[in-house]
Amino acid sequence: NAGVTQTPKFQVLKTGQSMTLQCAQDMNHEYMSWYRQDPGMGLRLIHYSVGAGITDQGEVPNGYNVSRSTTEDFPLRLLSAAPSQTSVYFCASSYSRTQYFGPGTRLLVL
Amino acid sequence: AQSVTQLGSHVSVSEGALVLLRCNYSSSVPPYLFWYVQYPNQGLQLLLKYTSAATLVKGINGFEAEFKKSETSFHLTKPSAHMSDAAEYFCAVSDRGNNAGNMLTFGGGTRLMVKP
Repeated sequence: NAGVTQTPKFQVLKTGQSMTLQCAQDMNHEYMSWYRQDPGMGLRLIHYSVGAGITDQGEVPNGYNVSRSTTEDFPLRLLSAAPSQTSVYFCASSYSRTQYFGPGTRLLVL
Repeated sequence: AQSVTQLGSHVSVSEGALVLLRCNYSSSVPPYLFWYVQYPNQGLQLLLKYTSAATLVKGINGFEAEFKKSETSFHLTKPSAHMSDAAEYFCAVSDRGNNAGNMLTFGGGTRLMVKP
């Protein structure tokens, strides 16, 4: 049981490039979400999904897209990277009012 | 909209001393409340959660928190700090609707340092 996995662990992008952050969970949780963590600001919700085929926006969705074709996978797409998107990104799945976080992806946009 | 305030972005205690990390929330209806811990270069891990009538909640690693509705607070305590407690701690809230516990609003975090 791997829990929540994220790839890559670290990525450097140039402004304007696009990329996909991968997230997978093997706990059969319906609810999944993406957060970004910035110093002094805690974690902020980007997008979430309550089940396959259903996604919605969180607090800071601009510049990001998501899709949920299966229960297991919830990728986050950066359409055109900007320096303001430099952050640590965490994926989480949720069950019984408890969130299970992945190890994070550290993204640097130059 | 809900908000969470954690007083003190950095807290330093000596090993064996009391740990007190403060969290206040703003919500018209008492929400569900959570404390998460993040060790260096790791994801967040649930310490404890308040979701029902018991106002004193015990969590892992000897931590506990007390929900005080009159003070809109949910402070985290541990009687005796250990070096392994050094980490960043996050208070979070969610409403009691269908997404209870799923959509969290986090505080800014408190980094706990433990001196030998």
